[in-house]
Amino acid sequence: DTGVSQDPRHKITKRGQNVTFRCDPISEHNRLYWYRQTLGQGPEFLTYFQNEAQLEKSRLLSDRFSAERPKGSFSTLEIQRTEQGDSAMYLCASSLDATKQFFGPGTRLTVL
Amino acid sequence: GENVEQHPSTLSVQEGDSAVIKCTYSDSASNYFPWYKQELGKRPQLIIDIRSNVGEKKDQRIAVTLNKTAKHFSLHITETQPEDSAVYFCAASGTGRRALTFGSGTRLQVQP
Repeated sequence: DTGVSQDPRHKITKRGQNVTFRCDPISEHNRLYWYRQTLGQGPEFLTYFQNEAQLEKSRLLSDRFSAERPKGSFSTLEIQRTEQGDSAMYLCASSLDATKQFFGPGTRLTVL
Repeated sequence: GENVEQHPSTLSVQEGDSAVIKCTYSDSASNYFPWYKQELGKRPQLIIDIRSNVGEKKDQRIAVTLNKTAKHFSLHITETQPEDSAVYFCAASGTGRRALTFGSGTRLQVQP
């Protein structure tokens, strides 16, 4: 499968724990995006990388959230001290240019 | 920032009928408008997109129209089929803002 992949697909954690998600973009895509989607809503932008540089961050991305893309390939999204309000589907997307974004299957986070 | 409004929130049509979903955007700097289809439990799938220098684009049974003056764009699906049933999201982005801003979604149900 040459599409965007994400790991894990599901994560259940207790409030206060840290979690980390991984995204592998389509190879040769230099742009990578993280979004969050809650039930019945459209995806909300979190952050954007071009190669290894983090170029945009949403105000949704509190100081508990951090994202990296160290070698311009895969990316990780870490949430520290999780809260119940963090429960959502975390989607990763990648693109070759500034337009067509292709999404991964998402990581569903449940915070108990 | 950008705000995208989408209507209707639900749409039920008979198989073979046409379906139209409308979106408006607020930022006149937006210049790229994709549409995504999301089936239950699946990733958003890019189905068609349009740039601001084009007024209309068609791909088989789906078409998108853009009115830059009025700042609205629409998705048209003709000869609907049961497999068209899904949630459809419109989105917008611009030169200074690579992240997509999504509408709230339209749940389309095609009755056989």
